[in-house]
Amino acid sequence: KAGVTQTPRYLIKTRGQQVTLSCSPISGHRSVSWYQQTPGQGLQFLFEYFSETQRNKGNFPGRFSGRQFSNSRSEMNVSTLELGDSALYLCASRIGLRSGTQYFGPGTRLTVL
Amino acid sequence: KNEVEQSPQNLTAQEGEFITINCSYSVGISALHWLQQHPGGGIVSLFMLSSGKKKHGRLIATINIQEKHSSLHITASHPRDSAVYICAVSETSGSRLTFGEGTQLTVNP
Repeated sequence: KAGVTQTPRYLIKTRGQQVTLSCSPISGHRSVSWYQQTPGQGLQFLFEYFSETQRNKGNFPGRFSGRQFSNSRSEMNVSTLELGDSALYLCASRIGLRSGTQYFGPGTRLTVL
Repeated sequence: KNEVEQSPQNLTAQEGEFITINCSYSVGISALHWLQQHPGGGIVSLFMLSSGKKKHGRLIATINIQEKHSSLHITASHPRDSAVYICAVSETSGSRLTFGEGTQLTVNP
């Protein structure tokens, strides 16, 4: 089985722009979670989607949003980018909500200039 | 105080040494996870456990629910074990993961 894939792997944007990141889960996995990793804050939970519905949300401003499609693929969007949004964005998939090991993708490295 | 605390933050060992990384948490959990992150960012899930002990190759993970404490042990360490090891918990109140700050392990040949 193919692993979790994320696109793009690297991205450079400027302040004020918006960005969309994509995550394709392992086939058969219906839950996708998104995480932000920065040197200062470490790994932080953004949100989790299951069956096209957001089931859980972390403490991030409304500029961070996401969605999940019927094939379980997920996108996250960050609007009005700030310098502090520079981070590694990771997605992880698992079979069900609250069940099973999470499998992480390679991440998208976002740099905001 | 963080809900998940790891120690030590940095650990340097010689090849062959026995290594222990500790994790303490303060919230109710449904499971505890040990993750490995290599340079470049990729994260691999090593263990998910809710009680007792699990073993995979040279890695052993234990958890004491009453004491809210878990340990990750690496036997016969090798330079390829050099990575950041992260403890994370799934809280009983939801499905999100809460992470520790990670332990940077360096194993020298």
